[in-house]
Amino acid sequence: GEQVEQRPPHLSVREGDSAIIICTYTDSATAYFSWYKQEAGAGLQLLMSVLSNVDRKEEQGLTVLLNKKDKRLSLNLTAAHPGDSAVYFCAVSPSSGSWQLIFGSGTQLTVMP
Amino acid sequence: EAAVTQSPRNKVAVTGGKVTLSCNQTNNHNNMYWYRQDTGHGLRLIHYSYGAGSTEKGDIPDGYKASRPSQENFSLILELATPSQTSVYFCASGDAQATGQLYFGEGSKLTVL
Repeated sequence: GEQVEQRPPHLSVREGDSAIIICTYTDSATAYFSWYKQEAGAGLQLLMSVLSNVDRKEEQGLTVLLNKKDKRLSLNLTAAHPGDSAVYFCAVSPSSGSWQLIFGSGTQLTVMP
Repeated sequence: EAAVTQSPRNKVAVTGGKVTLSCNQTNNHNNMYWYRQDTGHGLRLIHYSYGAGSTEKGDIPDGYKASRPSQENFSLILELATPSQTSVYFCASGDAQATGQLYFGEGSKLTVL
């Protein structure tokens, strides 16, 4: 079945710097790709999702890149600020119409003032 | 505002006791999910449901039951709780097309002594 690996597990950056989180997946039929943010003591909140026919999507300081050839999904937080400190998860849906989401293991991002 | 509400938020149980975690959603989504979150494992799917009356096994169903009596409510039941089930449990709802967009509750922290 689908395997998702996420790295790094921990990431510290200075305020204003970029933070990049990467996930790799194994199933080339994967249809949907998402990023979630989890703040301390809270549930996961959807940040952004893309379909497999999208290579790049930008919203509010976030950039999602999808490289289907390498089966790699990345999240780039440009100009990170302390409020971005949280755990970030990638999630993939193996195929169109699937009920299932498979999550990466998470990245603890700390943005230092 | 669409919401997923879990109860209780915190629970301490004894080994061998019965625990019921409840989830209510106002999103009118067909699909609902129960995950557990443990350090180093990300989120793992326990049970899910396609609609009222439906329950399906996820990736780690052993030791858990689920009940979906209505569109809005989805419960996770631990008949004989064990210390290994100490975890944070998250309920989520999503639409039937599973576009990578799930809406999560705030989590229920369960400690089994």
